[in-house]
Amino acid sequence: GDSVTQTEGLVTLTKGLPVMLNCTYQTTYSPFLFWYVQHLNEAPKLLLKSSTDNKRTEHQGFYATLHKSSSSFHLQKSSVQLSDSALYFCAVSGSFNKLTFGAGTRLAVCP
Amino acid sequence: GPKVLQIPSHQIIDMGQMVTLNCDPVSNHLYFYWYKQILGQQMEFLVNFYNGKVMEKSKLFKDQFSVERPDGSYFTLKIQPTALEDSAVYFCASSLVPGLGVRYEQYFGPGTRLTVL
Repeated sequence: GDSVTQTEGLVTLTKGLPVMLNCTYQTTYSPFLFWYVQHLNEAPKLLLKSSTDNKRTEHQGFYATLHKSSSSFHLQKSSVQLSDSALYFCAVSGSFNKLTFGAGTRLAVCP
Repeated sequence: GPKVLQIPSHQIIDMGQMVTLNCDPVSNHLYFYWYKQILGQQMEFLVNFYNGKVMEKSKLFKDQFSVERPDGSYFTLKIQPTALEDSAVYFCASSLVPGLGVRYEQYFGPGTRLTVL
């Protein structure tokens, strides 16, 4: 079946520094990848979705590029803010559009 | 943006009782999902539903689980009877109808925290 690996459980950074959250996947389908962000006690919200192979997608300062050759869709931001502190999930869409999620990465941004 | 509502936000019940979790999806969405998240773990797919039918279900979707959406009303997840291991947060989601080679993002509700005693 499909699977998603997020290697970092917790990332702690100082405000203004760059960040990269890793996401690799396995799927038997054509890959459609998503990043969701979840703030405490809130619904997960879509942050980014993949486009075509090797094309970067951006939203709210975050960006990611789907690389089929390495089965990756890493999330990046050049300068993190305090408000970026949240839980980030990478997910792959499989049969009937069901999502398979990674374990999530908690991003903690310090002043 | 589009919102998915879930009622109730919390539910505490005794093991063996029945519980119904309610979801009010985005108004023009016709594809619905339930996911389960145990504290500290990742969200896991339970089931999806379209045109009155279950399209796919995972092994977590036990025989005690059922879903339905009577016309114009909530999309519901019913558990009867409940077990201790059903304690989790249940998230509802909805999307436009996916097609061959087309995937639409899912919009999630805030979740229902179910505690089975």
